Amino acid sequence: DTGVSQDPRHKITKRGQNVTFRCDPISEHNRLYWYRQTLGQGPEFLTYFQNEAQLEKSRLLSDRFSAERPKGSFSTLEIQRTEQGDSAMYLCASTQGAGQGETQYFGPGTRLLVL
Amino acid sequence: AQTVTQSQPEMSVQEAETVTLSCTYDTSESDYYLFWYKQPPSRQMILVIRQEAYKQQNATENRFSVNFQKAAKSFSLKISDSQLGDAAMYFCAYRSRRGNEKLTFGTGTRLTIIP
Repeated sequence: DTGVSQDPRHKITKRGQNVTFRCDPISEHNRLYWYRQTLGQGPEFLTYFQNEAQLEKSRLLSDRFSAERPKGSFSTLEIQRTEQGDSAMYLCASTQGAGQGETQYFGPGTRLLVL
Repeated sequence: AQTVTQSQPEMSVQEAETVTLSCTYDTSESDYYLFWYKQPPSRQMILVIRQEAYKQQNATENRFSVNFQKAAKSFSLKISDSQLGDAAMYFCAYRSRRGNEKLTFGTGTRLTIIP
């Protein structure tokens, strides 16, 4: 399977706990995006990487959120001290990205529920 | 900032009939991309069709076609010969050709296919 994969698919946690999600992009895709989708809404941009460099972060990404992409391959998104408002679907997408408007391919998402 | 508006939260269509989903957007840019993504229940988001703003010809992909009206900033999706497998949330999305090329999504239209 050469698609975008995300792990875990579902996560239930208690308020105040830390959680970490992983995204494995399509091989050789150098751009990786994180989006957040709440119920009844379209996905909203959180952050993106060009290879290992994090080039932009949305204002939605508070100080409790951190993302990494070591070695320009997989990426992790960590949420510290989770709050109930963090409950959402977290989507990862990748693209070959050379400024040519290539298609972003999405993973299945990680659904987070904070109790 | 760009915005995307989908004014139809829900639509339904009889199997084998044709349905049109509406999308309008707001931007000050002249060069961009527009997309329709499909998100089936509990499944990942996949690209249905894309349109480059500099192209006057409307994009088509098998049963899916768009009506792109650049001056009116309108981008509707027509699904012909609707099939049960077309049932999903449909998201219209905008992407600039500049910067990080993040996707800006509308709030989606839930399409139901009536057998």
